[in-house]
Amino acid sequence: DAGITQSPRYKITETGRQVTLMCHQTWSHSYMFWYRQDLGHGLRLIYYSAAADITDKGEVPDGYVVSRSKTENFPLTLESATRSQTSVYFCASSLDSHVGRDTQYFGPGTRLTVL
Amino acid sequence: AQSVSQHNHHVILSEAASLELGCNYSYGGTVNLFWYVQYPGQHLQLLLKYFSGDPLVKGIKGFEAEFIKSKFSFNLRKPSVQWSDTAEYFCAVTDSWGKLQFGAGTQVVVTP
Repeated sequence: DAGITQSPRYKITETGRQVTLMCHQTWSHSYMFWYRQDLGHGLRLIYYSAAADITDKGEVPDGYVVSRSKTENFPLTLESATRSQTSVYFCASSLDSHVGRDTQYFGPGTRLTVL
Repeated sequence: AQSVSQHNHHVILSEAASLELGCNYSYGGTVNLFWYVQYPGQHLQLLLKYFSGDPLVKGIKGFEAEFIKSKFSFNLRKPSVQWSDTAEYFCAVTDSWGKLQFGAGTQVVVTP
């Protein structure tokens, strides 16, 4: 039971480079989410997706791009990384979140450092 | 925009002590309330959740939370903590659109 996985787990990159963080879930959950976790801010929603080819912005979407061509994958791309994007990134999924009651299941996180 | 406030950023207590973590939210409409926990080196996971009905909700590992609508609060409690309860605890709220808003988290350290 793989659940929800993220890769890479750790990444160091330089300012201006493009970085893609991968998220894969094996439950066929409809909803997927990307969060960033920063000290003092908890987790903040970057983007979410209600189904394949349906994505929407969260609280902090600037500088990020997402796509969802397949239900099981939800990659997050930093088009031109900045130091302020140094953070821990969590992917999550839920079966059905249209009324906000479903449990979200989280991946292990990706620790990204932008030099 | 709704917000979620957790009263304490760090809590240190001894085994067998009682734990209460405060959580207040600002949203005035119908909300769904959650407590998530992140144990060291593990995924964030659900402790408990509240949608409606009995305002006292019981979750896993002996945790419970009480929803007080008049105070916009959803405080987490455990009568007697163990060393294994050392973790970071997050309160979270969703509105009817389903977006989850997290508090800043409370780091709890339980000493033997």
